[in-house]
Amino acid sequence: AQTVTQSQPEMSVQEAETVTLSCTYDTSESDYYLFWYKQPPSRQMILVIRQEAYKQQNATENRFSVNFQKAAKSFSLKISDSQLGDAAMYFCAYRSLASYMRFGAGTRLTVKP
Amino acid sequence: KAGVTQTPRYLIKTRGQQVTLSCSPISGHRSVSWYQQTPGQGLQFLFEYFSETQRNKGNFPGRFSGRQFSNSRSEMNVSTLELGDSALYLCASSTFGTGAETQYFGPGTRLLVL
Repeated sequence: AQTVTQSQPEMSVQEAETVTLSCTYDTSESDYYLFWYKQPPSRQMILVIRQEAYKQQNATENRFSVNFQKAAKSFSLKISDSQLGDAAMYFCAYRSLASYMRFGAGTRLTVKP
Repeated sequence: KAGVTQTPRYLIKTRGQQVTLSCSPISGHRSVSWYQQTPGQGLQFLFEYFSETQRNKGNFPGRFSGRQFSNSRSEMNVSTLELGDSALYLCASSTFGTGAETQYFGPGTRLLVL
């Protein structure tokens, strides 16, 4: 079964510091896609970053980057220079070509001023 | 482009009633997926539609159903509501619904069953 695990229910970070959110997944597929979504208190889910499994290079989007370890089935999100607006629930998600999106349980990130 | 819209934003129903939720995808998107979000179960996939055909279905009872119209708008229906159906229902759209595509989410419909 394809499952996504986020082992950190809550994390906190000081403003301007760096934080890493963990995600592991289980799959027997070789071709798939990984996503990090952010859900602020307003509740609208927003894509933060995505990674294609066939790409060895880790994806980056401004202050957000991932550490994708395919063999270990690990996909962590690093947020650099944390800002107050980064406070939200972060969901890791997995999708293979033929199946539907599966989400982890989420990590609630608090940013302290 | 306008984003994904969902109506209504809030609903209060009583047990045994039925409810219909609506989702309008981003213009040009032909795939719509529905998710149920609860504090206890997290985000769970309900179903996915592409060009009016259901392509995937999650592990939900038959009380949960959906459909998609020729203009790609989608509705989901829940019959014989139970207290446990109280949740945030999210709709997401993408162009073709392939795994390679990013899904864009709507603001959700908050359903409270009393």
